[in-house]
Amino acid sequence: DIVMTQTPLSLSVTPGQPASISCKSSQSLLYSDGRTYLYWYLQKAGQSPQLLMYEVSSRFSGVPDRFSGSGSGTDFTLKISRVEAEDVAVYYCMQGLHLPLTFGQGTKLEIE
Amino acid sequence: HVQLQQSGPGLVKPSQTLSLTCSISGDSVSNNRVVWHWIRQSPSRGLEWLGRTYYRSNWYNDSALSVKSRMSINPDTSNNQLSLHLNSVTPEDTAVYYCVRESVRSSGTNWFDSWGQGTLVTVSS
Repeated sequence: DIVMTQTPLSLSVTPGQPASISCKSSQSLLYSDGRTYLYWYLQKAGQSPQLLMYEVSSRFSGVPDRFSGSGSGTDFTLKISRVEAEDVAVYYCMQGLHLPLTFGQGTKLEIE
Repeated sequence: HVQLQQSGPGLVKPSQTLSLTCSISGDSVSNNRVVWHWIRQSPSRGLEWLGRTYYRSNWYNDSALSVKSRMSINPDTSNNQLSLHLNSVTPEDTAVYYCVRESVRSSGTNWFDSWGQGTLVTVSS
């Protein structure tokens, strides 16, 4: 199984400041079709996860442009340029390349 | 706008079978541009993919090895539903269970774009 490792597991950020979450996979997520199957989800308290980013850096419909994704191969980063109160959530990376699909442990973002 | 409405018991006794249903509206369980998944979440195991089913002229299934021998995912085309059955449950199967739709775009891009509301299932006597 591909292991997804996120760091940090928690972070506290002042509103308006940036935040960054790292996700590393135990194998490359680049497929022969040229796509990299790395996704980011967020889960707000009491809710189901929801899609943020797909294929590393593409924002899903309705996701604010303060969210950005980058990386390649096995190293990926989710950045929030200016954290807002509504960004409080747990953020998960997920690999969609090989079965079983696997998730990172989650990073809990709190507001200072 | 697709909606996934989950139903099923919240308490199951050890050794019995956990059965959940996902009622689909706004899409068809037989849609050949979609894959249907079950994922569970617990404090000890985090988000754990369990398995998937999809229709491409025939029905196909894949399961996580950890539950493969105990689990079945079944489409019900008559009622446009998806079911999960997990037998011989133990307290380790206590989790929130989600049904999830994966959309496969014509461009080749795919994503999990719809999640059920989640069902907390506790395995306890």
